[in-house]
Amino acid sequence: GQNIDQPTEMTATEGAIVQINCTYQTSGFNGLFWYQQHAGEAPTFLSYNVLDGLEEKGRFSSFLSRSKGYSYLLLKELQMKDSASYLCAVREDTNAGKSTFGDGTTLTVKP
Amino acid sequence: EPEVTQTPSHQVTQMGQEVILRCVPISNHLYFYWYRQILGQKVEFLVSFYNNEISEKSEIFDDQFSVERPDGSNFTLKIRSTKLEDSAMYFCASTPWGDPSSYNEQFFGPGTRLTVL
Repeated sequence: GQNIDQPTEMTATEGAIVQINCTYQTSGFNGLFWYQQHAGEAPTFLSYNVLDGLEEKGRFSSFLSRSKGYSYLLLKELQMKDSASYLCAVREDTNAGKSTFGDGTTLTVKP
Repeated sequence: EPEVTQTPSHQVTQMGQEVILRCVPISNHLYFYWYRQILGQKVEFLVSFYNNEISEKSEIFDDQFSVERPDGSNFTLKIRSTKLEDSAMYFCASTPWGDPSSYNEQFFGPGTRLTVL
């Protein structure tokens, strides 16, 4: 099984940088995803890491350390529209590659 | 851009009734999934489907649940006798899987909000 932990809530200021952490303990691992989810909507893909290191994609970056079971999502130049839940999800190394999701971190961006 | 679609967007039913939630995955995708999210809680895996059969299922996916791909485009989730605790948002997802040019991330549909009274 999988156990995924991330902070419940975070608050940051528009224009700032915020880092959302995720730790996981897994029996199998085939990559880690970050998704954004606005209230009442579906999760949308942000980033994917399967090897250690940093992946950068515009204002969003994601880091993975497999030996530590640790990832973070870094959001730069925060905008009000970034207020949402951010979901860390671990893909298992099974045939169908199902994902196990953390509880999500609700980020509130204030002016 | 291709997307996963789901119907209906909202379904209200009485406890004990059968419901069928419908999904049209992205056309060249091979793996299909159902997830659910109870209000205020995390996204939970229900079942995955590949090559016209269930690949994996969770403990939540008991005998009351079934999935089917009745034709080349639709993917359905049936709940035979709904309970109050089945009230949730149900998300369908699909992935190309095995495509070396992509992350093989799951593309989620907009969800069906199921309310059991």
